Amino acid sequence: EDKVVQSPLSLVVHEGDTVTLNCSYEVTNFRSLLWYKQEKKAPTFLFMLTSSGIEKKSGRLSSILDKKELFSILNITATQTGDSAIYLCAVSAGNQFYFGTGTSLTVIP
Amino acid sequence: DAGVTQSPTHLIKTRGQQVTLRCSPKSGHDTVSWYQQALGQGPQFIFQYYEEEERQRGNFPDRFSGHQFPNYSSELNVNALLLGDSALYLCASSYRTSGLSYEQYFGPGTRLTVT
Repeated sequence: EDKVVQSPLSLVVHEGDTVTLNCSYEVTNFRSLLWYKQEKKAPTFLFMLTSSGIEKKSGRLSSILDKKELFSILNITATQTGDSAIYLCAVSAGNQFYFGTGTSLTVIP
Repeated sequence: DAGVTQSPTHLIKTRGQQVTLRCSPKSGHDTVSWYQQALGQGPQFIFQYYEEEERQRGNFPDRFSGHQFPNYSSELNVNALLLGDSALYLCASSYRTSGLSYEQYFGPGTRLTVT
């Protein structure tokens, strides 16, 4: 059965800390891995990763994929209160997306 | 550039009733996927529409059906509502399910409550 597992389930940090969120997967016909940020309702797209070892970076956020070990990490440096959200990992396999349950990040001032 | 829009934003229905949710994709997108997100869970894939046909379906019963119109907008219909159908229903659009990797953009969702 295809599955995506995220860890930790929740995280509380102080502003300025660096956090690492994990996503592991077991799917058939892997195509890509995507990270989303969900604050209120709609998940907003962060990154799409298709190749191993190539880091994607956007400001303080970065992500990398390891297709051999079947996982990805999302790093957030110098966290801010606005980073508080649920971070979702999704894997595209065939024509479906499989989502993890998300990591809830809370950044305390 | 209009993003993905969904209507209504909130809906309250009674067990056994039927509901229709609507989605308009982001400009330039032709593929619509529907997801159900229960509280504290990640989105669960319901189905995907492209060229007005259902292309892929997740593990949802036949009570869940859909439609895509020539302008790429889509509807999700749920019959014989159960309490367990209460969730946030998300629509996501993308360009072409060509079998290659593609990005999906989500709408704000419809919060359905079944009493």
